Amino acid sequence: GDSVTQMEGPVTLSEEAFLTINCTYTATGYPSLFWYVQYPGEGLQLLLKATKADDKGSNKGFEATYRKETTSFHLEKGSVQVSDSAVYFCALNLEDSGYALNFGKGTSLLVTP
Amino acid sequence: DVKVTQSSRYLVKRTGEKVFLECVQDMDHENMFWYRQDPGLGLRLIYFSYDVKMKEKGDIPEGYSVSREKKERFSLILESASTNQTSMYLCASRRSGANVLTFGAGSRLTVL
Repeated sequence: GDSVTQMEGPVTLSEEAFLTINCTYTATGYPSLFWYVQYPGEGLQLLLKATKADDKGSNKGFEATYRKETTSFHLEKGSVQVSDSAVYFCALNLEDSGYALNFGKGTSLLVTP
Repeated sequence: DVKVTQSSRYLVKRTGEKVFLECVQDMDHENMFWYRQDPGLGLRLIYFSYDVKMKEKGDIPEGYSVSREKKERFSLILESASTNQTSMYLCASRRSGANVLTFGAGSRLTVL
């Protein structure tokens, strides 16, 4: 079935370092792809999305490009801040589940000063 | 500010108890979802609802049921709680045809 695989964490970076969190997907159709972020003690919130191949989603300095040829949607940020410490989830929508989202297992990011 | 509100942030229940987790959204969304979140497993879909009085099983419905009597409210029911249902439960909603979910803050349930 449709699924996403994202790199395992935790990832620990120093402030201003470059961030990449890898995400690859398996899908029979053409899903939309998402990155959600969960800050400590909170629910998930949408960070960015892309609905078709070669689309680039961006928000708060984060970017991800929908790559159909490599079935990937890697999350990047050029310079992370302590406030970016959170758990990041890659997800795709499932056409046969009422367009519910299928999430990866999450990648925990800790940014140190 | 639009919201999905989960009434209980933390609950502690005993094995065998009946547990209700309530979720209310104020966005007039048609679709609502219940996920559970566990370390190393990410989010797994328990049940979802297209509209009032409609429900569909997700990936892990065993041991759970749901109720959607009003559009704004989607309840998750554990008929007889067990220790393996200790988890964080997340409710989400979405307008029909949209592809972005809005999540509540979560309900952390501990079953002793």
